[in-house]
Amino acid sequence: QVQLQESGPGLLKPSETLSLTCAVSGYSIRSGYYWGWIRQPPGKGLECIGNIYHTGRTYSNPSLKSRLTISVDTSKNQFSLKLSSVTAADTAVYYCARFGVGPRAFDSWGQGTMVTVSS
Amino acid sequence: DVQMTQSPSTLSASVGDRVTITCRASQSVSVWLAWYQQKPGKAPKPLIYKTSSLESGVPSRFSGSGSGTDFTLTISSLQPDDFATYCCQQYNDYPYTFGQGTKLEI
Repeated sequence: QVQLQESGPGLLKPSETLSLTCAVSGYSIRSGYYWGWIRQPPGKGLECIGNIYHTGRTYSNPSLKSRLTISVDTSKNQFSLKLSSVTAADTAVYYCARFGVGPRAFDSWGQGTMVTVSS
Repeated sequence: DVQMTQSPSTLSASVGDRVTITCRASQSVSVWLAWYQQKPGKAPKPLIYKTSSLESGVPSRFSGSGSGTDFTLTISSLQPDDFATYCCQQYNDYPYTFGQGTKLEI
């Protein structure tokens, strides 16, 4: 059974770069499917940040694209998110998830990690 | 972006009730619509994909229907564990977008 686990700093200052990693176990990223990042600001709905395929092909939310880098490291079976120039609006729970197993959407999720941007 | 609008935002119901939640897309998403259940402090749990297909382990009291722009999630007989927030997601066009959620409460 696939498991995903997010890791990274929980507190950032405005203008810093958010870096998160999602470690995948129970499934080899190299075997396929897309891997995605989703976030949820406190008390609000979910927002797709971006997806990456094991080959490195990415889809990024246009609203974040200029600040966003998503990468994959198949040797470590993990993928990563970097979001530059953060502001308080980037405060959210960040989830990683697997996408696109057959006709499925996001079928396996990490537990999420809270990131707060505050001076 | 495709806007997803759910109604109602909050739904009060009792154990044993049949409830329906509606999700409307701002443009056609064909059948590429998923539903998730989320409890406080937890990650979303996938319930339904491709409009009406149940994820493994999801009770049969959950069902989904619709196509194009209008979709519904129905719970045939509410159980205590079903009180949670439900949200829809379209994955026909990127960026994939979610509804704002429907909180199902007692």
